[in-house]
Amino acid sequence: GENVEQHPSTLSVQEGDSAVIKCTYSDSASNYFPWYKQELGKRPQLIIDIRSNVGEKKDQRIAVTLNKTAKHFSLHITETQPEDSAVYFCAATDLSGTYKYIFGTGTRLKVLA
Amino acid sequence: NAGVTQTPKFQVLKTGQSMTLQCAQDMNHEYMSWYRQDPGMGLRLIHYSVGAGITDQGEVPNGYNVSRSTTEDFPLRLLSAAPSQTSVYFCASAGGGTGELFFGEGSRLTVL
Repeated sequence: GENVEQHPSTLSVQEGDSAVIKCTYSDSASNYFPWYKQELGKRPQLIIDIRSNVGEKKDQRIAVTLNKTAKHFSLHITETQPEDSAVYFCAATDLSGTYKYIFGTGTRLKVLA
Repeated sequence: NAGVTQTPKFQVLKTGQSMTLQCAQDMNHEYMSWYRQDPGMGLRLIHYSVGAGITDQGEVPNGYNVSRSTTEDFPLRLLSAAPSQTSVYFCASAGGGTGELFFGEGSRLTVL
């Protein structure tokens, strides 16, 4: 079945440094790849997404890259701040087919002041 | 717009009891889904629906039933609760072609 692998499971960085989280998906029909941020005790919320016809997308300090051939996509956070500390989830789905979202297991990011 | 509304927020059950987690959305989304979140396991898909009258199994469907009689509602039923079903449950919906999945606030279920 479909699977999304996410690494690392935990990541600690100094404030101001960059953080990179990587995901790999198995279903070649996947065409939409969102990233969600979940703060403690809260619901996951979308922070950035990318579609399969785009290789990179950036929104201020956050960027996502997609390599369809390798079935890899990554989240890049630059100039990290303490408020970036949270759990981040990647996901993959086929918006033109099953619409079935499969999530990675999450990365706990700690930004050290 | 209330978005995605889940009830109850907290529930304690005894093994073997049944209950229903309610989920409603007011965004006219065609896609609705239920996830469970356990430490270190991420968000695992239980069941999902792409429209009224259509449901399908996700990654971990055993022990759970769903139905979708209207576009707005997607209840999750536990017929005979087990301690392994202790978890935080999230309902989520998407639609309009944007792809964004909107989550409810979550329901924390404890089975003793």
